[in-house]
Amino acid sequence: QVQLVESGGGVVQPGRSLRLSCAASGFTFSSYGMHWVRQAPGKGLEWVAVVSNDGRTTYYADSVKGRFTISRDNSKNTMYLQMNSLRAEDTAVYYCLKEGSSIFVSYFDYWGQGTPATVSS
Amino acid sequence: EIVLTQSPATLSLSPGERATLSCRASQSVSSYLAWYQQKPGQAPRLLIYDASNRATGIPARFSGSGSGTDFTLTISSLEPEDFAVYYCQYRGNWPPAATFGQGTKLEVK
Repeated sequence: QVQLVESGGGVVQPGRSLRLSCAASGFTFSSYGMHWVRQAPGKGLEWVAVVSNDGRTTYYADSVKGRFTISRDNSKNTMYLQMNSLRAEDTAVYYCLKEGSSIFVSYFDYWGQGTPATVSS
Repeated sequence: EIVLTQSPATLSLSPGERATLSCRASQSVSSYLAWYQQKPGQAPRLLIYDASNRATGIPARFSGSGSGTDFTLTISSLEPEDFAVYYCQYRGNWPPAATFGQGTKLEVK
């Protein structure tokens, strides 16, 4: 069965960095685009970034552009989110998501359980 | 940028009642609209994709309708486990960013 397991969250001071990982299993990882979505405490869902199946194409929300980098290693079935210059407003649970098909579809069929990142001095 | 507006923000109903949740897009999204359910402490799960298709394992009491700018999620007869927050979501081909509505909280009356 499909599994997405995030890790790497924690507590960090403003201006510092964190690297999140998402380990995937149960499907052909290299065939699917993958995304990060975050949810601040008590708030709704905010899309963060996408990486294409081959890793060549990435796209970011304006709120993280220039500070976050999404990448993937298909040999390890793992996606990453490098988060630099962190701000208090980046505090959230970060979810790893799988696109619903290997051809374009607009929805996400699997979500990880999330990893919390807290930015605080 | 497409904005999704959900209404109402909170819906108070009793088990057995019918729930109707709305999602309106700021411009046409064709049928590229999905619905997710999120319970406290859990990740969201896909309910409906492409406006009207139930995801695998989703009970038949959940249905979606609409196209263009106006969409509806209907729960025909509420079960106790259906009380949760519901989000609508859109993503186009380019840019490949996704957009979520702000959510509707379905609570027990």
